[in-house]
Amino acid sequence: AAGVIQSPRHLIKEKRETATLKCYPIPRHDTVYWYQQGPGQDPQFLISFYEKMQSDKGSIPDRFSAQQFSDYHSELNMSSLELGDSALYFCASSLRGQGPTDTQYFGPGTRLTVL
Amino acid sequence: AQSVTQLDSQVPVFEEAPVELRCNYSSSVSVYLFWYVQYPNQGLQLLLKYLSGSTLVESINGFEAEFNKSQTSFHLRKPSVHISDTAEYFCAVCPMDSSYKLIFGSGTRLLVRP
Repeated sequence: AAGVIQSPRHLIKEKRETATLKCYPIPRHDTVYWYQQGPGQDPQFLISFYEKMQSDKGSIPDRFSAQQFSDYHSELNMSSLELGDSALYFCASSLRGQGPTDTQYFGPGTRLTVL
Repeated sequence: AQSVTQLDSQVPVFEEAPVELRCNYSSSVSVYLFWYVQYPNQGLQLLLKYLSGSTLVESINGFEAEFNKSQTSFHLRKPSVHISDTAEYFCAVCPMDSSYKLIFGSGTRLLVRP
């Protein structure tokens, strides 16, 4: 079965540079979530989109922005990168409207290293 | 607000021994409950979930978890572990409000030794 696709899988950037992470949800899924997992930490919710509209916002820095496109893929844009942004960034997708069966399926993550 | 507590950061066990990974949560609203597993250098995989109905839920690889509302717990158990079960296990809750976001615990590293 098709899974969530994230690209790139690894990304190395310098401080103050920008980065764009992409997420392609499972086909027919309409909701995308972004999570950040720092080294040795639990995943922290950043932001989510449902039907191309921002659905919920978590601990996402103002330097980050995200959007969901008409084909439901999503991009997380990160500017003025800081050393502390080094983390594994997960995207998850779900099919909202399924009520209690709305389960999030995670991609393999993008490992961002800021030097 | 919701929070998830996984008291054990690491649980070492011998192969074929039973194991229990503890998870407690607090929430002002009802929640759905999940266990995710993360193998080294991989993403999060859904292990099992409690949405409603029977409080005992099982996964296809022998894990089970029981929802205890009075104790606000969702402990994960397996009667006999394998080397391949070595991984990080995350308990998570999803509040039954409009947010749909997952709140994760800090994770428990299960280390299975031969």
